[in-house]
This record gives sequence, C-alpha cells and structure tokens, in this order.
Amino acid sequence: EVQLVESGGGLVQPGRSLRLSCAMSGLTFDVYALHWVRQGPAKGLEWVAGLNLDSGRIDYADSVKGRFTISRDSAKNSLYLQMNSLRDEDTALYYCGKDATPGGLEYWGQGALVIVSS
Amino acid sequence: DVVMTQSPLSLSVTLGQPASISCRSSQSLVHLNWFHQRPGQSPRHLIYRVSHRDSGVPDRFSGSGSGSDFTLTISRVEAEDVGIYFCMQGSHWPYTFGQGTKLEIK
Repeated sequence: EVQLVESGGGLVQPGRSLRLSCAMSGLTFDVYALHWVRQGPAKGLEWVAGLNLDSGRIDYADSVKGRFTISRDSAKNSLYLQMNSLRDEDTALYYCGKDATPGGLEYWGQGALVIVSS
Repeated sequence: DVVMTQSPLSLSVTLGQPASISCRSSQSLVHLNWFHQRPGQSPRHLIYRVSHRDSGVPDRFSGSGSGSDFTLTISRVEAEDVGIYFCMQGSHWPYTFGQGTKLEIK
C-alpha cells in the first residue's frame, strides 16, 4: 500500500521558520518527480515546489521563491520543505505528492497544517 | 506558467444524470489530470494523460480532449461524487491547477 505521511506542521509567528517532512512507503521513490502543494483556507490547490528526479530540476512557485527549499533523502524515502521567513499568506494545508507516471502527481499525503499568525 | 481555466465553477446535478466539466489550458499539453476532493480529504487522482483512469476509479468517469481543450464526464452522477473537481497539467513545469468545480446534488 502506498503511503505518504506529512509531519512538522504547526502554529508559527510571521518571520519564523518551519520544516515539513514527508515519509513515503510502498512506492518507487527515486523516479519521476516529488512535489509540495498547498491549499489555503477555502481555496484551491497551489503547487509550491517540485523536484524532478529524472532531470534534477528544482522549481518553486514565485510566491515562495527564495524563502522555501525542497529537498529529499533517498535513504529515508523522505521529502522535506524548509520554509523560512513565513508570512500570514503561507497559512495552508501542505500536501506532499509524487508522480506515479510522468506529469501525473498521483500520490498525495493527508496534509500538514501550517498556521502563520502572531 | 500554463494557465488552467475550468468551467463551470459550480454544478448542480440530479442523481443519475450526466455531468461535464471543461478545462482549458493556455498551452498545448498531453499530461492532463483530473482530481476529486471531498470535504476534509486529500485530492484523489482520477485520470492521467487526458483519458486514462486510475485503478479503482469507476468507469462512469471518463476524460477526453486534446491540445488545450479537455473534459471530464460523469455518465451517471452518484451521491458519493459530490465535492470539488480539479484539473491539473503536468506537461510543463511548474505544474498548475484549475480553480476547481464544485459538484452538488440537486
């Protein structure tokens, strides 16, 4: 069974940092791409960051570029999102995801809630 | 970035009747995906590469289209189909999503 489990969410003050983790099991970790996607309160889905395992390309949404860093640990089958200089507008449920086919983003975790507030 | 535009943004359908959702992209693509999200749940992947159903997805769901014009069709809506449907393109980085279409039962 494929499982993606996020952790590390919480309440944080503006300007502070937080690191999300995503442990994956039941899938082939090092192929296609890994992603972070967020969903703000009563909002749609926003792709935040991605790591293309085939090309090595890393990309970020403009809204988080320079503040967030995506990384992975293949030995632990884990994906991370380091979030610095957090803002109120970063408040969202953060999902980790993985492509099962190129361009597919088929697998999703249950989400980690990040609340940025003073 | 590729802009994905869904229509309608809300849909009210009688049980057993068909429903269709449109998704248009600002660039041509082949990796067009559809998701279904129920309240309080993660998005569930339904369809990849325009028309390929995921394992376990009922055959009343079908995807069609090409280029920049795509459609998700539910042949006979059931009560469990309520929620929000999103299209997403994975042909061009960054991946981008449509705004979502809320399906309700009339």
